[in-house]
Amino acid sequence: KQEVTQIPAALSVPEGENLVLNCSFTDSAIYNLQWFRQDPGKGLTSLLLIQSSQREQTSGRLNASLDKSSGRSTLYIAASQPGDSATYLCAANNYGQNFVFGPGTRLSVLP
Amino acid sequence: NAGVTQTPKFQVLKTGQSMTLQCAQDMNHEYMSWYRQDPGMGLRLIHYSVGAGITDQGEVPNGYNVSRSTTEDFPLRLLSAAPSQTSVYFCASSFAASGSGELFFGEGSRLTVL
Repeated sequence: KQEVTQIPAALSVPEGENLVLNCSFTDSAIYNLQWFRQDPGKGLTSLLLIQSSQREQTSGRLNASLDKSSGRSTLYIAASQPGDSATYLCAANNYGQNFVFGPGTRLSVLP
Repeated sequence: NAGVTQTPKFQVLKTGQSMTLQCAQDMNHEYMSWYRQDPGMGLRLIHYSVGAGITDQGEVPNGYNVSRSTTEDFPLRLLSAAPSQTSVYFCASSFAASGSGELFFGEGSRLTVL
Protein backbone atom coordinates (compact mmCIF):
# COMPACT_ATOMS: atom_id res chain seq x y z
CA LYS A 1 0.00 0.00 0.00
CA GLN A 2 1.37 3.38 -1.01
CA GLU A 3 2.23 5.70 1.88
CA VAL A 4 3.32 9.31 1.52
CA THR A 5 5.17 11.45 4.04
CA GLN A 6 6.29 15.07 4.00
CA ILE A 7 9.01 16.53 6.15
CA PRO A 8 9.14 19.06 7.68
CA ALA A 9 5.57 19.62 8.82
CA ALA A 10 6.22 23.37 8.93
CA LEU A 11 8.89 25.67 7.55
CA SER A 12 9.54 29.37 8.01
CA VAL A 13 11.96 31.26 5.75
CA PRO A 14 12.81 34.90 5.02
CA GLU A 15 11.64 36.43 1.76
CA GLY A 16 13.94 35.88 -1.20
CA GLU A 17 15.31 32.55 -0.02
CA ASN A 18 15.32 29.50 -2.28
CA LEU A 19 13.76 26.50 -0.58
CA VAL A 20 13.05 22.79 -1.05
CA LEU A 21 10.02 20.86 0.14
CA ASN A 22 10.34 17.09 0.44
CA CYS A 23 7.90 14.29 -0.34
CA SER A 24 8.64 10.59 0.22
CA PHE A 25 6.65 7.60 -0.98
CA THR A 26 6.99 3.89 -0.22
CA ASP A 27 5.97 2.21 -3.49
CA SER A 28 8.40 3.00 -6.29
CA ALA A 29 5.99 1.65 -8.95
CA ILE A 30 4.54 5.10 -9.05
CA TYR A 31 2.64 6.29 -12.13
CA ASN A 32 2.71 9.99 -11.40
CA LEU A 33 3.04 12.48 -8.57
CA GLN A 34 1.19 15.76 -8.14
CA TRP A 35 2.04 18.81 -6.05
CA PHE A 36 -0.71 21.04 -4.69
CA ARG A 37 -0.97 24.31 -2.85
CA GLN A 38 -3.68 24.94 -0.26
CA ASP A 39 -4.42 28.37 1.17
CA PRO A 40 -6.27 28.58 4.52
CA GLY A 41 -9.96 27.84 4.10
CA LYS A 42 -9.54 27.07 0.40
CA GLY A 43 -9.38 24.07 -1.87
CA LEU A 44 -6.28 22.47 -3.35
CA THR A 45 -4.73 24.11 -6.38
CA SER A 46 -2.69 21.92 -8.71
CA LEU A 47 0.88 23.15 -9.14
CA LEU A 48 2.69 20.42 -11.06
CA LEU A 49 2.10 16.86 -12.21
CA ILE A 50 5.14 14.68 -12.89
CA GLN A 51 4.76 11.47 -14.86
CA SER A 52 6.91 8.49 -13.90
CA SER A 53 8.80 8.81 -17.18
CA GLN A 54 9.83 12.37 -16.32
CA ARG A 55 12.52 13.49 -13.90
CA GLU A 56 11.30 17.02 -13.43
CA GLN A 57 8.69 19.63 -14.30
CA THR A 58 8.92 23.39 -14.16
CA SER A 59 6.35 26.15 -13.85
CA GLY A 60 7.63 29.67 -13.28
CA ARG A 61 9.58 29.74 -10.01
CA LEU A 62 8.58 26.17 -9.19
CA ASN A 63 10.52 23.07 -10.12
CA ALA A 64 9.48 19.58 -9.08
CA SER A 65 11.70 16.53 -9.41
CA LEU A 66 10.94 12.84 -9.14
CA ASP A 67 13.34 10.04 -8.19
CA LYS A 68 11.45 6.76 -8.25
CA SER A 69 14.37 4.63 -7.11
CA SER A 70 14.81 6.58 -3.90
CA GLY A 71 11.08 7.16 -3.37
CA ARG A 72 11.44 10.93 -3.29
CA SER A 73 10.08 14.04 -4.91
CA THR A 74 11.16 17.58 -4.18
CA LEU A 75 9.48 20.90 -4.88
CA TYR A 76 11.96 23.72 -5.34
CA ILE A 77 10.70 27.28 -4.92
CA ALA A 78 13.05 29.99 -6.15
CA ALA A 79 13.18 33.50 -4.71
CA SER A 80 10.35 32.91 -2.24
CA GLN A 81 7.74 35.61 -1.66
CA PRO A 82 5.22 36.20 1.16
CA GLY A 83 2.50 35.20 -1.32
CA ASP A 84 4.01 31.71 -1.42
CA SER A 85 2.89 31.17 2.18
CA ALA A 86 0.50 28.20 2.14
CA THR A 87 0.38 24.48 2.81
CA TYR A 88 1.96 22.34 0.12
CA LEU A 89 0.78 18.79 -0.37
CA CYS A 90 2.09 16.02 -2.57
CA ALA A 91 0.08 13.04 -3.77
CA ALA A 92 1.37 9.82 -5.32
CA ASN A 93 -0.52 7.68 -7.79
CA ASN A 94 -0.04 4.08 -8.85
CA TYR A 95 -1.83 3.39 -12.13
CA GLY A 96 -5.48 2.48 -11.74
CA GLN A 97 -5.45 3.37 -8.07
CA ASN A 98 -6.47 6.51 -6.26
CA PHE A 99 -4.02 9.23 -5.30
CA VAL A 100 -2.50 8.94 -1.82
CA PHE A 101 -1.82 12.26 -0.13
CA GLY A 102 0.91 13.35 2.20
CA PRO A 103 0.10 15.40 5.31
CA GLY A 104 1.52 18.60 3.84
CA THR A 105 4.20 21.14 4.71
CA ARG A 106 3.01 24.50 6.04
CA LEU A 107 5.26 27.20 4.57
CA SER A 108 5.58 30.72 5.96
CA VAL A 109 7.62 33.27 4.00
CA LEU A 110 8.43 36.24 6.19
CA PRO A 111 8.71 39.74 4.68
CA ASN B 1 -14.06 28.56 -16.19
CA ALA B 2 -16.17 27.02 -13.42
CA GLY B 3 -14.10 23.82 -12.99
CA VAL B 4 -15.32 21.88 -9.93
CA THR B 5 -18.17 23.54 -8.03
CA GLN B 6 -19.28 22.50 -4.56
CA THR B 7 -22.36 23.59 -2.65
CA PRO B 8 -23.02 24.53 0.05
CA LYS B 9 -19.77 26.11 1.28
CA PHE B 10 -20.89 25.94 4.91
CA GLN B 11 -23.51 23.82 6.67
CA VAL B 12 -24.51 23.16 10.27
CA LEU B 13 -26.51 20.03 11.05
CA LYS B 14 -27.91 18.42 14.14
CA THR B 15 -27.06 14.81 14.96
CA GLY B 16 -29.32 12.46 13.03
CA GLN B 17 -30.18 14.88 10.23
CA SER B 18 -29.44 14.00 6.62
CA MET B 19 -28.14 16.20 3.85
CA THR B 20 -26.52 16.15 0.44
CA LEU B 21 -23.31 17.88 -0.57
CA GLN B 22 -23.38 18.77 -4.24
CA CYS B 23 -20.46 18.53 -6.64
CA ALA B 24 -20.53 19.46 -10.31
CA GLN B 25 -17.77 19.70 -12.90
CA ASP B 26 -17.92 21.17 -16.39
CA MET B 27 -14.71 19.63 -17.77
CA ASN B 28 -16.23 16.37 -19.02
CA HIS B 29 -14.12 14.44 -16.54
CA GLU B 30 -14.78 10.73 -16.13
CA TYR B 31 -13.30 10.37 -12.66
CA MET B 32 -14.81 12.10 -9.63
CA SER B 33 -14.13 11.64 -5.95
CA TRP B 34 -14.94 12.86 -2.47
CA TYR B 35 -12.37 13.47 0.29
CA ARG B 36 -12.63 14.65 3.84
CA GLN B 37 -9.87 16.68 5.45
CA ASP B 38 -9.38 16.64 9.18
CA PRO B 39 -6.57 18.15 11.30
CA GLY B 40 -3.81 15.59 11.81
CA MET B 41 -5.50 13.07 9.48
CA GLY B 42 -4.83 14.63 6.10
CA LEU B 43 -7.03 13.96 3.10
CA ARG B 44 -8.94 10.68 3.18
CA LEU B 45 -10.91 9.25 0.27
CA ILE B 46 -14.60 8.59 0.95
CA HIS B 47 -16.04 7.43 -2.38
CA TYR B 48 -15.09 7.71 -6.01
CA SER B 49 -16.56 7.16 -9.46
CA VAL B 50 -14.89 6.24 -12.76
CA GLY B 51 -17.90 7.14 -14.88
CA ALA B 52 -21.66 7.59 -14.91
CA GLY B 53 -23.35 4.70 -13.13
CA ILE B 54 -20.13 3.44 -11.52
CA THR B 55 -19.15 4.17 -7.93
CA ASP B 56 -16.84 2.54 -5.40
CA GLN B 57 -15.78 2.93 -1.80
CA GLY B 58 -12.64 4.64 -0.64
CA GLU B 59 -10.87 4.54 2.69
CA VAL B 60 -13.66 5.94 4.92
CA PRO B 61 -17.06 5.23 3.28
CA ASN B 62 -19.20 4.46 6.34
CA GLY B 63 -22.07 6.90 6.88
CA TYR B 64 -21.91 8.25 3.33
CA ASN B 65 -23.71 7.39 0.14
CA VAL B 66 -23.02 8.45 -3.46
CA SER B 67 -24.52 8.06 -6.90
CA ARG B 68 -23.41 9.14 -10.37
CA SER B 69 -26.33 9.50 -12.74
CA THR B 70 -24.57 11.98 -15.05
CA THR B 71 -20.94 12.68 -15.97
CA GLU B 72 -21.17 16.17 -14.48
CA ASP B 73 -22.61 15.53 -11.01
CA PHE B 74 -21.43 13.48 -8.04
CA PRO B 75 -23.46 14.20 -4.89
CA LEU B 76 -22.42 12.97 -1.45
CA ARG B 77 -25.21 12.05 0.96
CA LEU B 78 -24.91 11.91 4.71
CA LEU B 79 -27.57 9.49 5.80
CA SER B 80 -27.72 10.27 9.54
CA ALA B 81 -25.18 12.90 10.54
CA ALA B 82 -22.87 12.28 13.49
CA PRO B 83 -20.44 14.66 15.24
CA SER B 84 -17.58 12.53 13.87
CA GLN B 85 -18.59 13.71 10.40
CA THR B 86 -17.68 17.30 11.24
CA SER B 87 -15.04 18.02 8.62
CA VAL B 88 -14.17 19.84 5.44
CA TYR B 89 -15.27 17.92 2.38
CA PHE B 90 -13.60 18.23 -1.00
CA CYS B 91 -14.74 17.01 -4.38
CA ALA B 92 -12.11 16.32 -7.02
CA SER B 93 -12.21 15.27 -10.66
CA SER B 94 -9.84 14.00 -13.32
CA PHE B 95 -10.09 13.47 -17.05
CA ALA B 96 -8.67 9.94 -16.82
CA ALA B 97 -11.23 7.34 -15.74
CA SER B 98 -8.37 5.38 -14.21
CA GLY B 99 -8.03 8.12 -11.62
CA SER B 100 -4.41 8.55 -12.64
CA GLY B 101 -4.72 11.90 -14.38
CA GLU B 102 -4.26 15.37 -12.96
CA LEU B 103 -6.69 16.02 -10.11
CA PHE B 104 -8.71 19.22 -9.86
CA PHE B 105 -10.40 20.21 -6.61
CA GLY B 106 -13.41 22.23 -5.60
CA GLU B 107 -13.27 24.93 -2.93
CA GLY B 108 -14.65 22.64 -0.22
CA SER B 109 -17.74 22.35 1.96
CA ARG B 110 -17.29 22.92 5.68
CA LEU B 111 -19.72 20.80 7.69
CA THR B 112 -20.39 21.04 11.42
CA VAL B 113 -22.53 18.42 13.14
CA LEU B 114 -23.81 19.38 16.59
